[in-house]
Amino acid sequence: NAGVTQTPKFRVLKTGQSMTLLCAQDMNHEYMYWYRQDPGMGLRLIHYSVGEGTTAKGEVPDGYNVSRLKKQNFLLGLESAAPSQTSVYFCASSYTDVYGYTFGSGTRLTVV
Amino acid sequence: DQQVKQNSPSLSVQEGRISILNCDYTNSMFDYFLWYKKYPAEGPTFLISISSIKDKNEDGRFTVFLNKSAKHLSLHIVPSQPGDSAVYFCAASATGYALNFGKGTSLLVTP
Repeated sequence: NAGVTQTPKFRVLKTGQSMTLLCAQDMNHEYMYWYRQDPGMGLRLIHYSVGEGTTAKGEVPDGYNVSRLKKQNFLLGLESAAPSQTSVYFCASSYTDVYGYTFGSGTRLTVV
Repeated sequence: DQQVKQNSPSLSVQEGRISILNCDYTNSMFDYFLWYKKYPAEGPTFLISISSIKDKNEDGRFTVFLNKSAKHLSLHIVPSQPGDSAVYFCAASATGYALNFGKGTSLLVTP
C-alpha cells in the first residue's frame, strides 16, 4: 500500500547510544518531515527536506541530524541519545509545502 | 513560542450532539489551516482544511470556520459519533514553511 513507512516501530536506547530512524515513502513526494510528539506539547518539527539532497532545521533540531540521499528516504539520526529524546517520532511527506501531509505510524523511542 | 494554540486539552460530548473544537493562532502570515485526526498508536490523518480566502469549508459532518480578524478557527462535527473519539490537531502554515501544529484536543464521544 502506498504511504509512509517508519522503521523501527519501537526502540529502547541507553543514554549515549546512537541510532537511526528510517522513513520511506513511495508517493514520489518532494517534501519530507520529522516531528516529535510529547505529552502536552503537540507535534514539533525537528528537521525537514524540500527535495533530494536538501535538509533544513525545524523548531527543535538540537541533538538530531538528518540525511536525504534518496528522494524516497529521510533518515533521522541521534548521535548520543539523551533521556530528553524519549518521545514518539513521526515522519511525514507531502507533494507541496502545505497540502496533503501523509504521516507514518510513528516510532516510540525510550532513552533510559 | 506556540503560534498555534488549542487551549482545551479535552472535550467530552454525547453521541448525536455537536462537537466544537477551537484553535487560535498568532502569526498573521498563516494562510492555510488544517485539522488532523489521530487515533492511538497511529499517525495523524488529514481531516479538513481551509484557505485564508474563505471563512467556511464543509465536508460531510465536518465544518471548519475561520475568523481571520480574531485569528481563530473552529471545527464543528455534527452529529458526533463514538468513532470520532480521537485527538484533533489544528495546524497552520505560511507559504513556503512547514506546518505548525497545536497541542491537540482529545475528543471523547460517549454513547
